[in-house]
Amino acid sequence: QVQLVQSGTEVKEPGASVKISCKTSGYTFTGYYLHWVRQAPGQGLEWIGKVYPSGSPSFHAQKFQGRVTMSTDTSTTTAFLELRSLTSDDAAVYFCARDHYGSGKFDFWGQGTLVSVSS
Amino acid sequence: DIQMTQSPHSLFASVGDSVTISCRASRGISTYLNWYQHKSGEAPSLLIYGASTLEDGVPSRFSGSGTGTDFTLTITGLRPEDFATYYCQQAYNPSITFGGGTKVGIK
Repeated sequence: QVQLVQSGTEVKEPGASVKISCKTSGYTFTGYYLHWVRQAPGQGLEWIGKVYPSGSPSFHAQKFQGRVTMSTDTSTTTAFLELRSLTSDDAAVYFCARDHYGSGKFDFWGQGTLVSVSS
Repeated sequence: DIQMTQSPHSLFASVGDSVTISCRASRGISTYLNWYQHKSGEAPSLLIYGASTLEDGVPSRFSGSGTGTDFTLTITGLRPEDFATYYCQQAYNPSITFGGGTKVGIK
């Protein structure tokens, strides 16, 4: 069965970087985009970007330009999100989600990773 | 970016009621519109894709309609497990955007 399992809670200081992993299983890793979505406390869902494990360039929302790197490791079928220069606005639960054949519908999700940003 | 606007922001209903949530896109998105249910502490789950197609395993009390800029999600006969926040999401533009969410609470 399809599973996306994310890494655990992160506590970071302002200005630091965070790297979250999303270990996938149960499907052909190289055949599907993986997206990253976050939810800040009391806020709605916010799309961060997507990455294609077969090597195509990743694509992200403009507001994260210069701060975000999305990558994959096909040997471990794992996707990664790195976000740099963290501020309190980046405190959120971060989700990875599988994109069903590039349709933009997210059919399977990770359980979420809490990122806290505090000095 | 395409802006997605949901209404209402929240609503309160009783078990057995029917509720309708609206989602409007800032420009036409054909039927590239998906709906998700999100419960606190859990991952979101896909309910409807392509504006009106029910995802496998989703109960038939959920339905979606619309095309272009205006879309609706209807829950006919609310059950206790349906109290959650619902989000629309456009997949027309590569820069994906979500609506602000509609919280369905218990009256």
